[in-house]
Order: sequence, then structure tokens, then C-alpha cells
Amino acid sequence: EAQVTQNPRYLITVTGKKLTVTCSQNMNHEYMSWYRQDPGLGLRQIYYSMNVEVTDKGDVPEGYKVSRKEKRNFPLILESPSPNQTSLYFCASGQTSYEQYFGPGTRLTVT
Amino acid sequence: GDSVTQMEGPVTLSEEAFLTINCTYTATGYPSLFWYVQYPGEGLQLLLKATKADDKGSNKGFEATYRKETTSFHLEKGSVQVSDSAVYFCALRTSNTGKLIFGQGTTLQVKP
Repeated sequence: EAQVTQNPRYLITVTGKKLTVTCSQNMNHEYMSWYRQDPGLGLRQIYYSMNVEVTDKGDVPEGYKVSRKEKRNFPLILESPSPNQTSLYFCASGQTSYEQYFGPGTRLTVT
Repeated sequence: GDSVTQMEGPVTLSEEAFLTINCTYTATGYPSLFWYVQYPGEGLQLLLKATKADDKGSNKGFEATYRKETTSFHLEKGSVQVSDSAVYFCALRTSNTGKLIFGQGTTLQVKP
């Protein structure tokens, strides 16, 4: 089944404790991206990757890191999470950015 | 900078009513425009898209026309169903980049 998977789906952590949210796609897509969704703000793009080893900042990259060492994986790293990073996170992939397939989301709470 | 503005929700309609969700944008160049839908507890799904002025995107009875003169991409459906209840997001992709900019989303509730 073609899909984008994210892990974990739910995470509660404390301020400053490094964490990684994994994202994997099995559709051989070139493009991958991370978004956060907050009430009243819609989705905001954090980082995106047009291809392996190529990543670019979206609108809200501060406090996040990504890497694209292989085509199928695009992990999101929070080196020192803070409460304002409490949010619902979505990974997406597509052959291009024109049509993106979204994962099920990861709900992160930072206390 | 580039931006997308959607009408505020929630929008509450009775089954079989006509739906319009307004979306306007600000962008340099020639963006591509999209509507995504998010059903409760799920990720977003692409509903329809238009890549140039006067294009009409359509899917599942929904339509939207790319109007460059009014910088709009309003979503319409002639007869909504309870199963259309969801959050709808308008988005634009700026030319030659991978950046996708979303509106704040509009919640649609359809009552039987």
C-alpha cells in the first residue's frame, strides 16, 4: 500500500530533551516536506526537500533540523524542544510539490 | 510575501445546499493553486488543483476556477453531503520553488 508513515503518532516530552520524528514514504517520491498545524494558523511549512541531499527552509524553520540522506526518509529533529513547538506535525511527499500525499500526523506536546 | 486568505468558518449547511468557500491570494509571479481537504483525525488530501489562469480544477463534485484578475480560487459544490464535513485548505505553490503556503482552513459542517 502506498503511504507516508510517521512515528511516533503521539509524543509528550519535556523542554530541552532532543527528539526525532521519523517520516518514511514507499512511493519513490522525490519531494518531501514537513508542516506544523496550529489552530487558526492553518499549516505552515517547516522544511522541504526537492531531492536527496537537498533541503530548504519553509516559513517556520527555527528550532528544527532535517536531513535527507536517502530518498524514502525525511526525519524531523528538535534539538531542544520548547513549549511553543507543541503542535500537530505532518510529513508529506510527492513526485513534485504539485501533488503531495500526507502522513497521518504526529501530535507533540512539550511541557 | 506570498499569502492565502480564506473565509472564516465554521460554515454550517444543510444537506444538498450549495457550497462556496472563498479563497484569495497574494503572490508574485504565476503560482499554482490547490484545495486540500482534511477529514477528522486524518492528514490532508489533495482535492483539486489549477496551474494557470482560467484553469478549472474539479474532483468529487467540487470545482474551483483560477481567477488571476481577482486573485481568487473559490471552492464550490452544487449539493453537499454529510460526508463532505471536513476542514478545507486553500494553498498556493510559488513558481519554481517547493514552498507551499496554506490558508488557515475553513471548517464545513453539513447537517442531515
